[in-house]
Amino acid sequence: AQRVTQPEKLLSVFKGAPVELKCNYSYSGSPELFWYVQYSRQRLQLLLRHISRESIKGFTADLNKGETSFHLKKPFAQEEDSAMYYCALSPQSGYALNFGKGTSLLVTP
Amino acid sequence: NAGVMQNPRHLVRRRGQEARLRCSPMKGHSHVYWYRQLPEEGLKFMVYLQKENIIDESGMPKERFSAEFPKEGPSILRIQQVVRGDSAAYFCASSPLQGREQYFGPGTRLTVT
Repeated sequence: AQRVTQPEKLLSVFKGAPVELKCNYSYSGSPELFWYVQYSRQRLQLLLRHISRESIKGFTADLNKGETSFHLKKPFAQEEDSAMYYCALSPQSGYALNFGKGTSLLVTP
Repeated sequence: NAGVMQNPRHLVRRRGQEARLRCSPMKGHSHVYWYRQLPEEGLKFMVYLQKENIIDESGMPKERFSAEFPKEGPSILRIQQVVRGDSAAYFCASSPLQGREQYFGPGTRLTVT
């Protein structure tokens, strides 16, 4: 069975501080992992996916198969990073996304 | 490109009524996905459609729920005889090809009274 766990419902950090949003997953095969973000009053949008190995808006995420984790990190948080972040999993070359419950990130000045 | 459109944005139905949710994919996208988000939960996959075909409905409840994506017009998610437990946000996404990035609509918030 697929499962995506985001243990923190709310994460509050100060501007300029490092931030790490945790994501753990369970899946028997080789999954694709994604991070989606939803800014206030905007629609859900893809932030990054593990196969592209990109850094988007200063965020990175590394797939750790040993720990079955895909944590999202940014060294210096900005106020505009405040949003809801969802970790998602899909079967390799698949399509059905399975989302975690999300973490609300609040970056305060 | 206006993006994925969903309407209505908010829908209120009494128990036993029918709910129809519409999704117009992005221009050039022929793959549509429906997701449901219950309160305090993550989005859960319901169904994947291409034009005139249901590809995967493994996430759809067995009864009362149906989906279609006709040759012309939007994709429709239909819920018959709604119950309080159907109250949720329903999101539609589209992609140009299977396995490519899914672009999400703003969602329809269904409230069953």
